Amino acid sequence: AQSVTQLDSHVSVSEGTPVLLRCNYSSSYSPSLFWYVQHPNKGLQLLLKYTSAATLVKGINGFEAEFKKSETSFHLTKPSAHMSDAAEYFCVVTPVAGNFNKFYFGSGTKLNVKP
Amino acid sequence: EAQVTQNPRYLITVTGKKLTVTCSQNMNHEYMSWYRQDPGLGLRQIYYSMNVEVTDKGDVPEGYKVSRKEKRNFPLILESPSPNQTSLYFCASNRNTGTGVGELFFGEGSRLTVL
Repeated sequence: AQSVTQLDSHVSVSEGTPVLLRCNYSSSYSPSLFWYVQHPNKGLQLLLKYTSAATLVKGINGFEAEFKKSETSFHLTKPSAHMSDAAEYFCVVTPVAGNFNKFYFGSGTKLNVKP
Repeated sequence: EAQVTQNPRYLITVTGKKLTVTCSQNMNHEYMSWYRQDPGLGLRQIYYSMNVEVTDKGDVPEGYKVSRKEKRNFPLILESPSPNQTSLYFCASNRNTGTGVGELFFGEGSRLTVL
């Protein structure tokens, strides 16, 4: 079975400080993992994806995530937060084998960036 | 421009009045799917389609129908809407990459209120 747990529903940081959004997954198969961002009143946009290549994945807007199989984690980081990063972030897993058209979403983490 | 288009974006209706939310994509993607987003629950898959005339239930299909008569269109039908279907709905498409793992492209969402 597949599932995703985002460990924090809300994260608040100051502009210019690091961002860490945590995600743990459970998958019966080798997974592909994604992070999506949703700005208010908008659809979801892909930030980055892991598909069994390099374990450190770089995405758009300075975000990156590291796949750690031993910890079943895929945490999202950014060295320095910007006001425009304020949004909701979703971690998503899909099995590479099995029903690969099934995408499992975490419950989301709302990032607040203080001036 | 590659996009997924949903209509209507906003709709208020009453219990029992049939409605259809349209979804169209211009990327020639094989896969299309519908999600609903509710606070604290992330996105949950309603139905998905792997190609024309091929559809299957997701995690929360009750009260919904879909059809896939053309590759570009995947309408979501609520035959008899009820208040518990008040939600934000997203249509998404993704392509068959061979391994089956292609990123999701989302529409901008349809906010539905059932009174």
